[in-house]
Amino acid sequence: SAVISQKPSRDICQRGTSLTIQCQVDSQVTMMFWYRQQPGQSLTLIATANQGSEATYESGFVIDKFPISRPNLTFSTLTVSNMSPEDSSIYLCSVKTGLSGNEQFFGPGTRLTVL
Amino acid sequence: GQQVMQIPQYQHVQEGEDFTTYCNSSTTLSNIQWYKQRPGGHPVFLIQLVKSGEVKKQKRLTFQFGEAKKNSSLHITATQTTDVGTYFCAGRSNYQLIWGAGTKLIIKP
Repeated sequence: SAVISQKPSRDICQRGTSLTIQCQVDSQVTMMFWYRQQPGQSLTLIATANQGSEATYESGFVIDKFPISRPNLTFSTLTVSNMSPEDSSIYLCSVKTGLSGNEQFFGPGTRLTVL
Repeated sequence: GQQVMQIPQYQHVQEGEDFTTYCNSSTTLSNIQWYKQRPGGHPVFLIQLVKSGEVKKQKRLTFQFGEAKKNSSLHITATQTTDVGTYFCAGRSNYQLIWGAGTKLIIKP
């Protein structure tokens, strides 16, 4: 298993500003994932953060809006840029590990509210 | 695009009744995973099914993977208040993990 922490746990931000979310894992992992979850909804993958290369973004998400850093194998950041109320959501960091290497472990999430 | 449909969206049960959620994929999956998310919490991995027709049990939870590896189910026997939450399936296809919409288990007071 993996222990994942995220900072901040929650924030309330003004429209037009940016917020950087940090994700720290207690072990080295090759791939880290950033998800978004609207209240009561399923998870939507934003991007996969790879160490040493640019993140891979899913359809509908772009680097200018959600820049990602992955400076080492235990840490990643996701920035939500030029925020609007539509960006209000829970942002979750996740890693793939476990016995099969396929189990996804999630951080506690960052609850973002944009006014 | 590839989809995993999960039903029902909600299920209200009396404590002690059974609960079942179903997932159906538009494509053949290499594996399917199940997660539980408690209210206010994050998804927690429950199990992974890989083989065609596989059945796995965890205490009162029974997980099945269809013969064609396109559908799966989670059945909880005799629900307890600790079972409350949303159960998600996530199917892996072409290295992508495709999430179902989740089924929310609600225990009637």
